[in-house]
Amino acid sequence: QVQLQESGPELVKPSETLSLTCAVSGYSITSGYYWVWVRQPPGKGLEWIGTINHSGTTYYNPSLKSRVSISVDTSKNQFFLNLNSVAAADTALYYCARDAGPMAVVGFFAYWGQGTLVTVSS
Amino acid sequence: DIQMTQSPSTLSASVGDRVTVTCRASQSINSWLTWYQQKPGKAPKLLISKASTLESGVPSRFSGSGSGTEFTLTISSLQPDDFATYYCQQYKSPPWTFGQGTRVEIK
Repeated sequence: QVQLQESGPELVKPSETLSLTCAVSGYSITSGYYWVWVRQPPGKGLEWIGTINHSGTTYYNPSLKSRVSISVDTSKNQFFLNLNSVAAADTALYYCARDAGPMAVVGFFAYWGQGTLVTVSS
Repeated sequence: DIQMTQSPSTLSASVGDRVTVTCRASQSINSWLTWYQQKPGKAPKLLISKASTLESGVPSRFSGSGSGTEFTLTISSLQPDDFATYYCQQYKSPPWTFGQGTRVEIK
């Protein structure tokens, strides 16, 4: 059973870079599927941030594209989120997830991590 | 971007009630729609894909219907475990977008 676990700083200062790691267990990233970041501001809805595969092919939400970077380390079975120039509006619960498509991006998400709350504040 | 709009935002119901949540897309998404259930402090759980395909392990009291721009999630007989927030999401074209959520609360 695939499991995902987010980790990273809980507090980030405005204008700095938010960096998160998603550790995948129970499945090798190199075996297929695409890997996803989604966020949810407190009390609000869900927003897709971006998607990556094991070879580093990425797709980003245009609303965040200028500030976001997603990367992968297959040796550690992990993928990463960097979001720069953060502001209070980036305060959210950040989830990593797995896209439902084994060979190509499908665009919905069957497996999710538990989420990690990141607060942007000085 | 494709905008997804859910109604109502909050729904008050009792155990045993039949409950319907509506999701509308700003343009046709064929049947490329999913429904998730989210409980407080938990990640979303995938319930239905392709508008009406129930995921493995999801109780049969949940059903989905619709195509094009209008979709519904129905719970035939609301159970205590069903009190949660429900989100629709389109996967017709990126950026993948979600509805704002419908909170189903105890009446």
